[in-house]
Amino acid sequence: KQEVTQIPAALSVPEGENLVLNCSFTDSAIYNLQWFRQDPGKGLTSLLLIQSSQREQTSGRLNASLDKSSGRSTLYIAASQPGDSATYLCAVRPYMNRDDKIIFGKGTRLHILP
Amino acid sequence: KAGVTQTPRYLIKTRGQQVTLSCSPISGHRSVSWYQQTPGQGLQFLFEYFSETQRNKGNFPGRFSGRQFSNSRSEMNVSTLELGDSALYLCASSYEGLASAGELFFGEGSRLTVL
Repeated sequence: KQEVTQIPAALSVPEGENLVLNCSFTDSAIYNLQWFRQDPGKGLTSLLLIQSSQREQTSGRLNASLDKSSGRSTLYIAASQPGDSATYLCAVRPYMNRDDKIIFGKGTRLHILP
Repeated sequence: KAGVTQTPRYLIKTRGQQVTLSCSPISGHRSVSWYQQTPGQGLQFLFEYFSETQRNKGNFPGRFSGRQFSNSRSEMNVSTLELGDSALYLCASSYEGLASAGELFFGEGSRLTVL
């Protein structure tokens, strides 16, 4: 049974710092992994999608990596800004021919200190 | 291009009532999935529809049901509401073929409060 873990649950860093958020999963047979941000009371905004055959994806100041063999993905945020404050979630999707569900981590609540 | 639209955004119901939530996916997206988000359990998968067929279902009681129409719009229904059904219900759509799963795009959610 797939389990997705995000540690730490909360993180506070000064503005301008580079930071890394972690996402671990127990079953490496994944189809893709997606990173989202969620602002309070809002829906999820897609940040990056990594297919199982890919190692990383980049968008602006964000870079996500995927290592299926170790069951890990990281989201790297460069030069953090107060507007980056939000909850960041990762989601793992299984292969289509498996009777498994998409599983979300519980998220890392990020606070960027001005 | 319009995003995923969910209605209503907020609603208050009492125990025992039923509720129907609606989701309009991004134009061209044929897959719609539903999720329940609570502070304690996080985001949990409810069900997924593709071309009007339920493709997958999460571990929720039969009180939770859904359907998808020919225009890909989807509804979910919760009958005999319980206090524990209070949550943010999120809908997501994706563009995908029968053998591929694409990027999920979420709506703003429907906040349900059960009194």
